[in-house]
Amino acid sequence: QVQLQQPGAELVRPGASVKLSCKASGYSFTSYWMNWVKQRPGQGLEWIGMIHPSDSETRLNQKFKDKATLTVDKSSSTAYMQLSSPTSEDSAVYYCASGRYDYFDYWGQGTTLTVSS
Amino acid sequence: DIVLTQSPASLAVSLGQRATISCRASESVDSYGNSFMHWYQQKPGQPPKLLIYRASNLESGIPARFSGSGSRTDFTLTINPVEADDVATYYCQQSNEDPFTFGSGTKLEIK
Repeated sequence: QVQLQQPGAELVRPGASVKLSCKASGYSFTSYWMNWVKQRPGQGLEWIGMIHPSDSETRLNQKFKDKATLTVDKSSSTAYMQLSSPTSEDSAVYYCASGRYDYFDYWGQGTTLTVSS
Repeated sequence: DIVLTQSPASLAVSLGQRATISCRASESVDSYGNSFMHWYQQKPGQPPKLLIYRASNLESGIPARFSGSGSRTDFTLTINPVEADDVATYYCQQSNEDPFTFGSGTKLEIK
């Protein structure tokens, strides 16, 4: 079955970059877009961007253009999102979600990122 | 960016009754004969789950109690009849225009 495995939690100091991972299994990794979605505590969902693993074509929400970098490693079927210079505003749950171009079929359990010194 | 306004923000429905959630887009999300509006269910501590894609298509494995309708700027998610397991927050999402955006959510409770 389709699985998107994400670490449950990450702790990072303010200003230090962090790279979140999402390991896919149970489907053809290079056939579907991988999206990243942010959810702050008690808040709604915010789309960060997406990457197509076949050629690393990326679509990024301009709000995150200076914050997030999306990459993939096809050899390990893993998608990554690097967040630069994190602040308390970046503390949130980050989900990876795969799917066709426009909707998201499968979601990881999410990584809770805490930015704290 | 396309703004999605969901209403109501919360609703309480009796078991076995109908729940109706509205999502209004600030501009049309229709293109190429499709409505690029989708619905998700999120329970506490869990990731969202796709219910309906492209306005009215039921995702595989989702009970037929869930249905979606609408076009252009006005969309509706209907749950009929409501069951106890439906307690959750529901989100609409558009993908007609970059950046993709979500509604603010509707919290469903049992009366």
